[in-house]
Amino acid sequence: EPEVTQTPSHQVTQMGQEVILRCVPISNHLYFYWYRQILGQKVEFLVSFYNNEISEKSEIFDDQFSVERPDGSNFTLKIRSTKLEDSAMYFCASLGVVQSDEQFFGPGTRLTVL
Amino acid sequence: DAKTTQPPSMDCAEGRAANLPCNHSTISGNEYVYWYRQIHSQGPQYIIHGLKNNETNEMASLIITEDRKSSTLILPHATLRDTAVYYCIVKIIQGAQKLVFGQGTRLTINP
Repeated sequence: EPEVTQTPSHQVTQMGQEVILRCVPISNHLYFYWYRQILGQKVEFLVSFYNNEISEKSEIFDDQFSVERPDGSNFTLKIRSTKLEDSAMYFCASLGVVQSDEQFFGPGTRLTVL
Repeated sequence: DAKTTQPPSMDCAEGRAANLPCNHSTISGNEYVYWYRQIHSQGPQYIIHGLKNNETNEMASLIITEDRKSSTLILPHATLRDTAVYYCIVKIIQGAQKLVFGQGTRLTINP
């Protein structure tokens, strides 16, 4: 069964450092998403991406965040200067077509900012 | 997206049916009811969705009331592996819209 993969599974970084979280969506999918979940809290939408551009972003997704699909297979989330409050699980998801039933989620990357 | 209301937690005995309720009294005519679950800290997993008819798949059944203001997710024979947080979400199917997660129901299956 096709699946979304994410690397690394756990990333530890110092405050102020840049991090790049990587995702490989399902190969024929067209829509891509990043969500995050702070420990003990609900899953929150960050950004959606279609046709090589952002289609929607939340208030959380400020100038410190960016997304890219550099090579047609990977989908990355970059945080330019990490803050302590960026510590969370980050989930990538993908969707095949507009009328598709479900978003497929990856296993997540746990980001710890020290 | 319309909001949903779910009980924060429920318990169910292994082997019994788990019935998870959800209220969505402000649902619009073009909004579907989706259920996802999250086992421990894994990525959310799609379970089922429906518009107004009852739906069944290999994982669960979804019962939607005639007025569509509430629904129930049924896991017919719950196992320990069904212990998870279950999210009821309403959204339109057209357009690749984001999922808006609430707090969900933490379902614990007891041996």
